[in-house]
Amino acid sequence: KAGVTQTPRYLIKTRGQQVTLSCSPISGHRSVSWYQQTPGQGLQFLFEYFSETQRNKGNFPGRFSGRQFSNSRSEMNVSTLELGDSALYLCASREMDYGYTFGSGTRLTVV
Amino acid sequence: AQRVTQPEKLLSVFKGAPVELKCNYSYSGSPELFWYVQYSRQRLQLLLRHISRESIKGFTADLNKGETSFHLKKPFAQEEDSAMYYCALSGMNRDDKIIFGKGTRLHILP
Repeated sequence: KAGVTQTPRYLIKTRGQQVTLSCSPISGHRSVSWYQQTPGQGLQFLFEYFSETQRNKGNFPGRFSGRQFSNSRSEMNVSTLELGDSALYLCASREMDYGYTFGSGTRLTVV
Repeated sequence: AQRVTQPEKLLSVFKGAPVELKCNYSYSGSPELFWYVQYSRQRLQLLLRHISRESIKGFTADLNKGETSFHLKKPFAQEEDSAMYYCALSGMNRDDKIIFGKGTRLHILP
């Protein structure tokens, strides 16, 4: 089975721009979660999607949004980028009754 | 509120010595606890979960509901154990999200 695939691996954006990150879960996994990882805050939960519906949401501003498609692939979008949004964004897919399998992440740098 | 606390940011242990990475949690129901590990330049991966009661790479963790702890232990540290370790918590309901602690960097000294 292929693992969780995230694209792109690296991204540099300017303040005020918007960005879209993509995640393809393991085949058969219907749950996809997104996390923001920074040295200071660690892993912070953004949101989780299951069967195209947002099931859980973390404490992030409305600039952070996501969606899931019928093939379980997911995208997250960040609008009006701020310097503080620079982070590693991790996607994870989950099999029922098991823990997460993580992707390698997308490293976003906002300049 | 759900919370996972890993009190140590960094833990240095000599090779061959015992390792204990602390994890305390706060949860109102019956939680499911996990340990994840991230080796240098590798992706985050599941190490073990309390439900399976497995021993992976010599690591074990016991859920202590009285002390609300899920400490990770290994009797004899190896150099390849150097990594970032995250404790995580979820509810038993499969709809529950997983919350992570801030992580402990384990450094094994030769």
